[in-house]
Amino acid sequence: GQQVMQIPQYQHVQEGEDFTTYCNSSTTLSNIQWYKQRPGGHPVFLIQLVKSGEVKKQKRLTFQFGEAKKNSSLHITATQTTDVGTYFCAGALSGGSYIPTFGRGTSLIVHP
Amino acid sequence: DAGVIQSPRHEVTEMGQEVTLRCKPISGHNSLFWYRQTMMRGLELLIYFNNNVPIDDSGMPEDRFSAKMPNASFSTLKIQPSEPRDSAVYFCASSAEWHLETQYFGPGTRLLVL
Repeated sequence: GQQVMQIPQYQHVQEGEDFTTYCNSSTTLSNIQWYKQRPGGHPVFLIQLVKSGEVKKQKRLTFQFGEAKKNSSLHITATQTTDVGTYFCAGALSGGSYIPTFGRGTSLIVHP
Repeated sequence: DAGVIQSPRHEVTEMGQEVTLRCKPISGHNSLFWYRQTMMRGLELLIYFNNNVPIDDSGMPEDRFSAKMPNASFSTLKIQPSEPRDSAVYFCASSAEWHLETQYFGPGTRLLVL
C-alpha cells in the first residue's frame, strides 16, 4: 500500500533552535496535510498544501510541498516550549482513494 | 460547534469482554473515520464511512472488530472479544467530504485490555 515516510522519529532541541521534519512518498501525492498532536491530545489540523512547489507560512512555521509532489517539510523557526508535540504529515495518493495516509510522525521535544 | 465527541474517554476491561466505542461526528460532515494509535504502529486507519456507508474496511485488523454507522450523527466501533493487544487510543475523525478534506479528530478513547 501507499507509504508515507517521515523523519526523524524524534528531535530534541534547545528552546530557540530551529526544527525541521521531512515527509516522503514513493508516489505522487494529490495533496499533503500537516497535523500536530500535543502529548495526551489528539491530532489537530495545521495546513494543507496542494500545488507543486507550494510554500505556506504560519507565524514561525513554514510548510513546503516539493516540485514533484512526493515530499514535504515543516520548519519551525526559534522553537518554543509550546511547540512540543508530534507532527504528522498525511498524504493523499494522486489517482487513488484520496484518503490521506499518515506518516509515523516526528516527536519534538523542546528543552527550556 | 462541539466538535467530534467520543465516549467513553477511558475504558479498562478484561480480556474476552466486549468493548463498544462511540462517536458523534461534527454536524453536517459526510465522512467518518476510525483510527487506532499505538507506539508500535503509529496512527492506523481502520475504516471510513461516507454518507453512513462503509467505503473501506481494509484496515480493520480482524473479525473481532466491527463498525457501524446507523445514521449521520452516530457511529460505533466494537471489539468482541477484546485482547490485550487491542490496547491503544482509538480516534474518531470526521470531514465534510471523504477525500482531500481536513479531518477533525475527537479526543480519543484510551482502551486498556487486561
